[in-house]
Amino acid sequence: SQTIHQWPATLVQPVGSPLSLECTVEGTSNPNLYWYRQAAGRGLQLLFYSVGIGQISSEVPQNLSASRPQDRQFILSSKKLLLSDSGFYLCARSRVGGNTIYFGEGSWLTVV
Amino acid sequence: GDSVTQMEGPVTLSEEAFLTINCTYTATGYPSLFWYVQYPGEGLQLLLKATKADDKGSNKGFEATYRKETTSFHLEKGSVQVSDSAVYFCALILGGSEKLVFGKGTKLTVNP
Repeated sequence: SQTIHQWPATLVQPVGSPLSLECTVEGTSNPNLYWYRQAAGRGLQLLFYSVGIGQISSEVPQNLSASRPQDRQFILSSKKLLLSDSGFYLCARSRVGGNTIYFGEGSWLTVV
Repeated sequence: GDSVTQMEGPVTLSEEAFLTINCTYTATGYPSLFWYVQYPGEGLQLLLKATKADDKGSNKGFEATYRKETTSFHLEKGSVQVSDSAVYFCALILGGSEKLVFGKGTKLTVNP
């Protein structure tokens, strides 16, 4: 099976602190990887996607960055968190050329 | 640009009632269409999909038919259960796009 692991599942961070959310994928090589955010009362917003190691596309200007150091690893980071960074962050994957995207269980971030 | 419009919730039904959640789309090409479900506190799960006109996706008693003439992909279930309470997202992806476009989600609550 093709599984997506995200961690941590929940975290509470103070404003101005750094962030690192990690996502790893099993069972598939060279996947497309995505980070989505779901803020309270809002829909799903695509933040970043990657079609390969070191290849990152940013969808919206923001306080966050992403990296893909290995084929099946996708990391979401921030140097200094803002209150507005609070939300539910979802990692997702798809096959290259595939038309279906699958999601992980998500990570809840609360910035206080 | 490409977009998905789905009926705003919340929708509240009694158990065994008939469910329809409307979804229409605007796309420059010929998209694949999806319904995702998000149970409380969890990530998104793919519920069903359809990749071409007149295709019917079905899963867990839910159905949706790809209607090109009306650019719609309405979700239906003949008899809902309390366990169907969740947020439902309609989405599309264009061939070669690698990215999902989501509707804003519809919250469904089913009461016993």
